[in-house]
Amino acid sequence: NAGVTQTPKFRVLKTGQSMTLLCAQDMNHEYMYWYRQDPGMGLRLIHYSVGEGTTAKGEVPDGYNVSRLKKQNFLLGLESAAPSQTSVYFCASSYSKRGHDDTQYFGPGTRLTVL
Amino acid sequence: AQSVAQPEDQVNVAEGNPLTVKCTYSVSGNPYLFWYVQYPNRGLQFLLKYITGDNLVKGSYGFEAEFNKSQTSFHLKKPSALVSDSALYFCAVRATGTASKLTFGTGTRLQVTL
Repeated sequence: NAGVTQTPKFRVLKTGQSMTLLCAQDMNHEYMYWYRQDPGMGLRLIHYSVGEGTTAKGEVPDGYNVSRLKKQNFLLGLESAAPSQTSVYFCASSYSKRGHDDTQYFGPGTRLTVL
Repeated sequence: AQSVAQPEDQVNVAEGNPLTVKCTYSVSGNPYLFWYVQYPNRGLQFLLKYITGDNLVKGSYGFEAEFNKSQTSFHLKKPSALVSDSALYFCAVRATGTASKLTFGTGTRLQVTL
């Protein structure tokens, strides 16, 4: 099993450009999440999904959109990138929404720089 | 609202000495508590979790954590530190019934030296 994978690993954008980050998991997990990690702020939840075709806002959703057309994939889009979106983005997935085994498993991250 | 505090930005320990990384939390109801470790340029790796039961939880790589309900703490410990334990450690909490949304602390950098 590859676990959780993310593409790309690195990206540099100019202000106003758009891009999509792809997250894929092969663990048949129901829940998927997008976080951003900034120095001194830990991880903050951007959006999450409780199943195929569903999405919900997290703590810092503004400027991002997501889609979950397939259970194994969770896409994070930036329509018009801003320098404040320079960050490291992590995707995670977990199996059960209410059970005990809801440990989140993380991808390796995408380092995004917006100039 | 739920929150996590990791009061130390960095903890320095000599190899072979015991280590403690502190975490306190605030949540309504019963907490689910987690520790993750992040090595440079890598994603977060799950170390251990407390759901219910025994207050002392054992995890990967010889780490353990003690849940203390009265002090709302979940400190991470290891009896004998290794240089390879040097990394960034995150504590996280969620309340039961919150759809698995975790709240993370700001992280504590552990530096183990020879």
